[in-house]
Parts: sequence; structure tokens; C-alpha cells
Amino acid sequence: EAQVTQNPRYLITVTGKKLTVTCSQNMNHEYMSWYRQDPGLGLRQIYYSMNVEVTDKGDVPEGYKVSRKEKRNFPLILESPSPNQTSLYFCASSQGFEAQYFGPGTRLTVT
Amino acid sequence: AQSVTQPDIHITVSEGASLELRCNYSYGATPYLFWYVQSPGQGLQLLLKYFSGDTLVQGIKGFEAEFKRSQSSFNLRKPSVHWSDAAEYFCAVGARNTGTASKLTFGTGTRLQVTL
Repeated sequence: EAQVTQNPRYLITVTGKKLTVTCSQNMNHEYMSWYRQDPGLGLRQIYYSMNVEVTDKGDVPEGYKVSRKEKRNFPLILESPSPNQTSLYFCASSQGFEAQYFGPGTRLTVT
Repeated sequence: AQSVTQPDIHITVSEGASLELRCNYSYGATPYLFWYVQSPGQGLQLLLKYFSGDTLVQGIKGFEAEFKRSQSSFNLRKPSVHWSDAAEYFCAVGARNTGTASKLTFGTGTRLQVTL
């Protein structure tokens, strides 16, 4: 089954404690992306990757890092999380001009 | 820069009634356009997309959307709403100049409530 998986699905952490949210896709897609969803703001792109070792900033990259060492994986790293990064995070992947497939989301709470 | 406006934050319709959700975009060329649906606690599911050609596109679950270049709009329609259509709907525009449709900008969403 074609899918994008994210782990963990739910995470509560404290300010400053580094965390990683994993994202994996099994469709051999070149393009992967991270979004955050906040009430009233829709989805905003954090980072995206056009292929292995090729990443670029989206609209709200501050406080986040990403890496793309393998085609299937695109982890999101918060080196020093802060409460304003409390949000619902989605990973997505696509190929060429096709629409993006979204993962189930990760709800992060930073206290 | 591209942008998307969904002017209706919340819409309530009766089951069996018709539905139209509005979407206006801003982009310097012909965009790629998408509608996604998000059910409570779920990820986003693609309803339909417009890349080129016929401006009336059909999607899943009986939805359709019409691209109107003159109005910079891509409104979503359904002739008869079912209670299971209650969800949040997002319009998105993709930039052609990146070489893929994948740089998406989303609207803020419209929450649909269906009354029985």
C-alpha cells in the first residue's frame, strides 16, 4: 500500500529538549515536504526536498532542521523546541507534477 | 508570491443540499490547483486537481471544481451533501516555476458542518 508514515503520532516534550519526527514514504517519490498546521492559518510549509541531499526552506523554517540522506526518509529535527512550535505537523511526498500524498500527522506539544 | 484565499471559515448545510466552497488564488501564471479534505483527526486526502485542459474537473466522493481564469477562482461543488462530508476543506495552489507542482501554498480552510 502506498503511504507516508510519521512517527511519533503524538509527542509531549519540554522546552529545549531536542526531538526528531521521522517521515518515510514507500512510493519512491523525489519530492518531500514538511508542513505545520495551526488553527486559522491553514498549512504552512517548513522545509522541502527535491531529492536526496537537496533541501530548501519553505515559508516558516525558523527553529527547524531537516536532512535527506535517503530517498524514502525526510526527518524533521527540532534542536531546541519552544512552546510556539506546538502544532500539528504533516509530512508529504510527491513525484513530478502529481499531487502530494500526506502522512497522518504528528501532534506536538512543547511545554 | 502565490497565495490562496478561502473566504468562508465555516459553512453549514443540510444533508441533501448543494454545496459550493469558494477559493480564490493569486499567481502570476496558470497555476496548479488542488482541493484537499481533512476529516477530524486525519491527514489530508486529495479530492481533485487541475493542471491543464478541461476547466471542470471531477474528483472523488462526487466533488467537482471549476477553474475560472478570469475570476482567479477554483470553487469546489457537490450537488448533494452527505453527513459524512463534514470535514475541513483546503484549497491549494502549486507553483509551476519550480519544475514540479509540489511547492504548495494552502488556504486557511473552510470547515463544513452538515445538519441532518
